[in-house]
Amino acid sequence: DVVMTQTPVSLSVSLGGQVSISCRSSQSLVHNNGNTYLSWYLQKPGQSPQLLIYKVSNRFSGISDRFSGSGSGTDLTLKISRVEPDDLGVYYCGQGTQYPLTFGSGTKLEIK
Amino acid sequence: QVQLKESGPGLMQPSETLSLTCTVSGFSLTSNGVGWVRQPLGKGLVWMGTIWAGGSTNYNSAVQSRLSISRDTSKSQVFLKMNSLQPEDTGTYYCARQDYYSGAVFDYWGQGVMVTVSS
Repeated sequence: DVVMTQTPVSLSVSLGGQVSISCRSSQSLVHNNGNTYLSWYLQKPGQSPQLLIYKVSNRFSGISDRFSGSGSGTDLTLKISRVEPDDLGVYYCGQGTQYPLTFGSGTKLEIK
Repeated sequence: QVQLKESGPGLMQPSETLSLTCTVSGFSLTSNGVGWVRQPLGKGLVWMGTIWAGGSTNYNSAVQSRLSISRDTSKSQVFLKMNSLQPEDTGTYYCARQDYYSGAVFDYWGQGVMVTVSS
């Protein structure tokens, strides 16, 4: 199975600040077709996860451009700029390159 | 708009069989896949399995021997059945729409249903 390791486990940021979350995979996430199937999700307190980013850097419908994804191979990053109160929650990366589909263990974002 | 809603019993006993239903609207089960994801209380997300638009299925090998996912396209419903339940199967179960061409990404999620396995 592809193991997804997220760091940090938690972080605290001031409103208006910027944060980066790292997601490293135990195997390359480059599919045979050349695509990299890495997604980012946000689970706000008491809610279901919601899709933010797919295929490394594509923002899902309605997602603010304050969220951006980057990286390649085994090293992927989510960056959140101009942090707002509604951004708090747990962020998960997930891979769809290889079965079983797997997720990182999450990064909890708190607002200072 | 796209919506998914899980339903099923909240409390199960060990060794029983869990049956959950995911009722969808706003899209067709013959156009998108639907997957099931479990989240133990206070923990992360674990993919369990998916039924794709063509009716084929993929399962997580960790639960494959106990799990079955099926659907009724006329009713826009997807079903999860898992036997031989154990306390470690306790958690919130989500169904989510999946986009095969974007790498099986989960683009819309249901609200989840909490299942507790306890004697």
